[in-house]
Amino acid sequence: DAMVIQNPRYQVTQFGKPVTLSCSQTLNHNVMYWYQQKSSQAPKLLFHYYDKDFNNEADTPDNFQSRRPNTSFCFLDIRSPGLGDAAMYLCATSRDRVGQPQHFGDGTRLSIL
Amino acid sequence: DQQVKQNSPSLSVQEGRISILNCDYTNSMFDYFLWYKKYPAEGPTFLISISSIKDKNEDGRFTVFLNKSAKHLSLHIVPSQPGDSAVYFCAASAPGGGADGLTFGKGTHLIIQP
Repeated sequence: DAMVIQNPRYQVTQFGKPVTLSCSQTLNHNVMYWYQQKSSQAPKLLFHYYDKDFNNEADTPDNFQSRRPNTSFCFLDIRSPGLGDAAMYLCATSRDRVGQPQHFGDGTRLSIL
Repeated sequence: DQQVKQNSPSLSVQEGRISILNCDYTNSMFDYFLWYKKYPAEGPTFLISISSIKDKNEDGRFTVFLNKSAKHLSLHIVPSQPGDSAVYFCAASAPGGGADGLTFGKGTHLIIQP
């Protein structure tokens, strides 16, 4: 089945220790998104790639970076995680940015010790 | 400032009856609206969408209504089934209007009672 896969499902890291979350897709979609969702809150867009074109949201902290080496993979790098970065991180894809639904992975739950 | 609001954190409906989930938005640039369903420990699953040029879209048991003048949309599920118990998120986007990603509401937890 075509899908969006996030690894790992659960990630524990130490305060200040860099961490990378992974997302892959078999849908061959042009657009890949990263969202952060904290407990009882709405998912919040961090950034997205339209093909190789990176689009950062204005209020996304500099601590968060992303890489998309090819169509299938996208990574979220947190350079120096703080306690406030503990959250669920959701990856999504869509065929295009206009009028197309986004398809989500099951997320990575990040904990900071 | 929350641009998409789901004012009911939870809703309880009897099996077989109609479930109506509501959503309000403030950004007049939004032109594409979606509903997602989320089970625990899973990502959101796309249910149904509607473009701003329409006021209704139907897919099986699910119907979404859009009232642009009131900046309000609703999701109707009829008849409600036990498997519909989940958190439902309303989302909106404004491609080209500075909101390529989705802006989500906080969700409504729908509980279908037998």
